[in-house]
Amino acid sequence: DTGVSQDPRHKITKRGQNVTFRCDPISEHNRLYWYRQTLGQGPEFLTYFQNEAQLEKSRLLSDRFSAERPKGSFSTLEIQRTEQGDSAMYLCASSLESGVFFGQGTRLTVV
Amino acid sequence: AQSVTQPDIHITVSEGASLELRCNYSYGATPYLFWYVQSPGQGLQLLLKYFSGDTLVQGIKGFEAEFKRSQSSFNLRKPSVHWSDAAEYFCAVGPPGGGYQKVTFGTGTKLQVIP
Repeated sequence: DTGVSQDPRHKITKRGQNVTFRCDPISEHNRLYWYRQTLGQGPEFLTYFQNEAQLEKSRLLSDRFSAERPKGSFSTLEIQRTEQGDSAMYLCASSLESGVFFGQGTRLTVV
Repeated sequence: AQSVTQPDIHITVSEGASLELRCNYSYGATPYLFWYVQSPGQGLQLLLKYFSGDTLVQGIKGFEAEFKRSQSSFNLRKPSVHWSDAAEYFCAVGPPGGGYQKVTFGTGTKLQVIP
């Protein structure tokens, strides 16, 4: 068990470009979550998967954001036409009944 | 709607001193309550959680928290702080059985430990 893994750890992109982040959950965890954390704030829920099904999306998840979990294992979060306001830490977490485990996050900077 | 308030943005304590981090929540019934710690460059780690039962909850790393329904509080405590406890601490609230996607986090308290 290597924990929740996120890639890349840091991403700098120009405004208007598309970016994609990857999350590898703990292998037996069927639930996967994406959160966004901006400076001075706690994490805010973005979306949730149970296996490959995306069961819930926050209103924070604009139509420029899309998330997938094609085989119920790893997940990707894509942001299209990035804006400076998208600069944040994007956290992935996975869970079983026993608890939720977070990855180290991907820090996105839009310049 | 549920909410959580952490009134202290930043706290400084001396190593070996006791610690109490405050957390107040707003929820219509008894919620699920959590404390997480985030060290620089690290993901959030669950310290402890309260679902029901004994209102004094023991967690990892020597932390404990007490649920006080009358005060809508869930303060985190540690009797003797170590330098390695320097981090940011987040309180969170969620509806019973609602799943982690329903959890709302506070804005965090940054703990600085001085020798």
